[in-house]
Amino acid sequence: GAVVSQHPSRVICKSGTSVKIECRSLDFQATTMFWYRQFPKQSLMLMATSNEGSKATYEQGVEKDKFLINHASLTLSTLTVTSAHPEDSSFYICSARAAGGVTDTQYFGPGTRLTVL
Amino acid sequence: GENVEQHPSTLSVQEGDSAVIKCTYSDSASNYFPWYKQELGKRPQLIIDIRSNVGEKKDQRIAVTLNKTAKHFSLHITETQPEDSAVYFCAASITGTASKLTFGTGTRLQVTL
Repeated sequence: GAVVSQHPSRVICKSGTSVKIECRSLDFQATTMFWYRQFPKQSLMLMATSNEGSKATYEQGVEKDKFLINHASLTLSTLTVTSAHPEDSSFYICSARAAGGVTDTQYFGPGTRLTVL
Repeated sequence: GENVEQHPSTLSVQEGDSAVIKCTYSDSASNYFPWYKQELGKRPQLIIDIRSNVGEKKDQRIAVTLNKTAKHFSLHITETQPEDSAVYFCAASITGTASKLTFGTGTRLQVTL
């Protein structure tokens, strides 16, 4: 149980284009999903917290107009990187926390490697 | 906000030896401390977690200890095996609907034959 999928796993795009990444909880409902960015050999940096049916909460320094987050259902959250530039190239990972439980365990997706040319 | 420090950044042990990774946190209100293992290019996998109402938790070769007074917690891996080689991250959070994990900087563990 507690499987989180992400799509696509890899994407290469030209500078200036937008890229959408999907995060799905496959066997549980997630009221809260998190989006992280991880640069090579670095830790996971939280970008934003996404709650179903409400606006995402962004961490300091993360541009909400550049990284659009939508959490339209209890099993799906999307991250859209708008007007991507080479410095946005990174490993983007989502995680999901189960609804209604007492645990704070986060289950991670497999990540999306974004390369902006 | 919470700040989590993790040491060492790299750790090399021989197969069969023990490995210890230490983390400290700054927010005394933090009460949930998970440890994740991440292999290269893969997702972080939860390997063990501990809550502030216990001081130690063990799962086969893996154990975690928590010292709330000193605000530090440690991961202990005994009888290390080559497949234990990975990057390990500690994290801390305050449980609740608004909780979010603050991660340590990671420890690259290399288990040599």
